[in-house]
Amino acid sequence: DIQMTQSPASVSASLGDRVTISCRASQDIINHLAWFQQRPGKAPKSLIYAASSLHGGVPSKFRGSGSGTDFTLTISSLQPEDFATYYCQQYYTSPPTFGQGTRLEIK
Amino acid sequence: EVQLEQSGAEVKQPGESLKISCKGSGYSFDSFWIVWLRQMPGKGLEWMGIVYPGDSDARYSPSFQGQVTMSADKSISTAYLQWSSLKASDTAMYYCAKHRRPGGGMSETFDFWGQGTLVTVSS
Repeated sequence: DIQMTQSPASVSASLGDRVTISCRASQDIINHLAWFQQRPGKAPKSLIYAASSLHGGVPSKFRGSGSGTDFTLTISSLQPEDFATYYCQQYYTSPPTFGQGTRLEIK
Repeated sequence: EVQLEQSGAEVKQPGESLKISCKGSGYSFDSFWIVWLRQMPGKGLEWMGIVYPGDSDARYSPSFQGQVTMSADKSISTAYLQWSSLKASDTAMYYCAKHRRPGGGMSETFDFWGQGTLVTVSS
């Protein structure tokens, strides 16, 4: 299975800040990379697919980039609703695998 | 509006059987794979497998093969995840989600999610 490693495991930021979360795959996954947001006690929400394409209704403050093995999620102008856990997922090979998650906390 | 509505929370004893459901609406249910995912308490997401409502074809992660059964009834736009003999280690939140694109196979990501079904297995 492809291993997905996210960093950092947790990050603290203030309202209005910009943060970047990294995701590294153990082998080349081209751009078959998705990002999800999970608020506490809620179901995950799909944010990005194909490394940089936003799902419908997702605000442009979320930006994905990268290809090959290294990917990033950048979130701008942090608002209270953005403080959540974020997961990356590769879907290049089966079974699809997730990173361990990055918890974004309010400073 | 696309929606996936999951059945309610369950509390079961070890050894009991269980079937939970995921009802889709607002799209062509029989054309998109449904994926099942597990989230154990305080942990991350795990991909369990997928089922194609059009013909009930199911594919499983090796980690879950033989442990669960996935099925679907396209006539009522509902997918199912079932256990024949639950263990305490099956205690988790279970989510269904739909593949982003119709058809295809295992290598796809998801767009819409159900709200989750909490399964608690305890004696």
